[in-house]
Amino acid sequence: AQRVTQPEKLLSVFKGAPVELKCNYSYSGSPELFWYVQYSRQRLQLLLRHISRESIKGFTADLNKGETSFHLKKPFAQEEDSAMYYCALRRGGTSGSRLTFGEGTQLTVNP
Amino acid sequence: KAGVTQTPRYLIKTRGQQVTLSCSPISGHRSVSWYQQTPGQGLQFLFEYFSETQRNKGNFPGRFSGRQFSNSRSEMNVSTLELGDSALYLCASSSLDRVRYEQYFGPGTRLTVT
Repeated sequence: AQRVTQPEKLLSVFKGAPVELKCNYSYSGSPELFWYVQYSRQRLQLLLRHISRESIKGFTADLNKGETSFHLKKPFAQEEDSAMYYCALRRGGTSGSRLTFGEGTQLTVNP
Repeated sequence: KAGVTQTPRYLIKTRGQQVTLSCSPISGHRSVSWYQQTPGQGLQFLFEYFSETQRNKGNFPGRFSGRQFSNSRSEMNVSTLELGDSALYLCASSSLDRVRYEQYFGPGTRLTVT
């Protein structure tokens, strides 16, 4: 069975500071990893996917298979980044859509 | 493109009753997944339907069931409601694109069981 762990429930940084949201996973196969974000009063939406190796809103995440991690990073946090962030895993090579989510990290960026 | 829609948005039910929630996926999406979100358990997968067939199922009791229609719209049903079923129920639809794979979530239905 797969599992996703986000060790920090709450994370608070100042505007302009670097931010890193941690995500670790356990899965014996080859996973697909995602970061989802939920802004206040908005629906859950995809931030980025590891397979695309893209940078969205200044955020990047690298899949480290050795450490089974997929940490989300941004060099300079902005106040509008304040939101709930979820790391999610999908079994690789599958046609199914089942996502396993971490518990989430509430990020607050202070002015 | 219109997003995923869910009805109703809010629902209050009494223990022992049953409830049906509805989800309309994005046009062209054939996969619909359901999740339960609670403060204590976070986001938990309920089940997925694809082309009117249940393709995946999470670890929920048989009181939770679902179905999908030929137009890809989906419903989930919870029978004999318990207080612990109070949660936000999210529906998500996805296409088959592997590289640009993404689940698009609806706004959710807030169910309160009293």
